[in-house]
Amino acid sequence: DADVTQTPRNRITKTGKRIMLECSQTKGHDRMYWYRQDPGLGLRLIYYSFDVKDINKGEISDGYSVSRQAQAKFSLSLESAIPNQTALYFCATSGGLSEETQYFGPGTRLLVL
Amino acid sequence: QKEVEQDPGPLSVPEGAIVSLNCTYSNSAFQYFMWYRQYSRKGPELLMYTYSSGNKEDGRFTAQVDKSSKYISLFIRDSQPSDSATYLCAMQLFQGAQKLVFGQGTRLTINP
Repeated sequence: DADVTQTPRNRITKTGKRIMLECSQTKGHDRMYWYRQDPGLGLRLIYYSFDVKDINKGEISDGYSVSRQAQAKFSLSLESAIPNQTALYFCATSGGLSEETQYFGPGTRLLVL
Repeated sequence: QKEVEQDPGPLSVPEGAIVSLNCTYSNSAFQYFMWYRQYSRKGPELLMYTYSSGNKEDGRFTAQVDKSSKYISLFIRDSQPSDSATYLCAMQLFQGAQKLVFGQGTRLTINP
């Protein structure tokens, strides 16, 4: 089984809809991250959490919110989706003896019409 | 100016060729440097990690860092079709820093 899982893997939604992307991990890591990937822009950090009570904004947090429900779960919400939020979204975790290594999930491909 | 610049390619080379992938950066405070490999429809996976100037080898892969020039490279020897992927460089200010700054990624294709 994959260590970092994301649901859904693909999603099509309409402008103005609320959508939640979910991430779960079995690695026992404290740190979790949400990134978006766009062609030509690489990966950009949206939010990160170093433990259940710690939530921090990344470089592009506007229009997004997150919830850290448990050590193993970190959800990303788009309160009112807009077309320029169409992207590939990745969850990642890090921790343990190699904090510098981030382990990525398989990604969620989101299309906002 | 972006903190990290990476030629997006695409780069296409024949099997067996030596591949050179490069990134430049503007923030001299970056101390830790990584290369991630991302196969199509998959998440990135860490390929190599280094924190000092010089070379680090791992099999067919060599990571090179030149802090004085703010330039890092990844060399792939005896390239294989299975090396076809997007390669992303990434940098951190310090070990375990929350912010991992990525390059745009270079799409590489190795032709049999």
